[in-house]
Amino acid sequence: AQRVTQPEKLLSVFKGAPVELKCNYSYSGSPELFWYVQYSRQRLQLLLRHISRESIKGFTADLNKGETSFHLKKPFAQEEDSAMYYCALARDDKIIFGKGTRLHILP
Amino acid sequence: KAGVTQTPRYLIKTRGQQVTLSCSPISGHRSVSWYQQTPGQGLQFLFEYFSETQRNKGNFPGRFSGRQFSNSRSEMNVSTLELGDSALYLCASSPSTGGSYEQYFGPGTRLTVT
Repeated sequence: AQRVTQPEKLLSVFKGAPVELKCNYSYSGSPELFWYVQYSRQRLQLLLRHISRESIKGFTADLNKGETSFHLKKPFAQEEDSAMYYCALARDDKIIFGKGTRLHILP
Repeated sequence: KAGVTQTPRYLIKTRGQQVTLSCSPISGHRSVSWYQQTPGQGLQFLFEYFSETQRNKGNFPGRFSGRQFSNSRSEMNVSTLELGDSALYLCASSPSTGGSYEQYFGPGTRLTVT
């Protein structure tokens, strides 16, 4: 069955340090992958999608089909990055979310 | 374009009651999905409607049901409420055409069951 795994429920990183939020998926085809973010008291929103290959708020994510991963990275964490992050996979008219990782940026 | 709206924003119910939540998608979006969000379980998919038909369904009991109207607005109903149903219920709409699955979320309805 298709699955999205985010192994860390909570990730604490010091301000200025690099950030990597892990996402692994199980799907044999060519998935469409997303990262969604939910800041405190804001609605869940799309951060980036793999097909656009863009950098949003300094975050990038590369699809690694060999490792079936779509890790989210940022070279220097900022306090405003503290939020809940969800990885999602879409295929065949269905979207599957991971359980989410809470990113806490320490001052 | 106006974003996804959900009503009501907050709701307090007692065990055994039933509740109906409403969602208005972005104009032109034909797909509406419902999610339950809790601190312990994260985001859990309830069901998705597309052109008034339930297209996908998550692993929730039959007490959770939904429907979609011809204008794409959707309602979700929970019958015989249990304490564990307390959660933030999110609605998301999507164009869901041409392979676009990007979800646009509403602010959610916070349901508290006492």
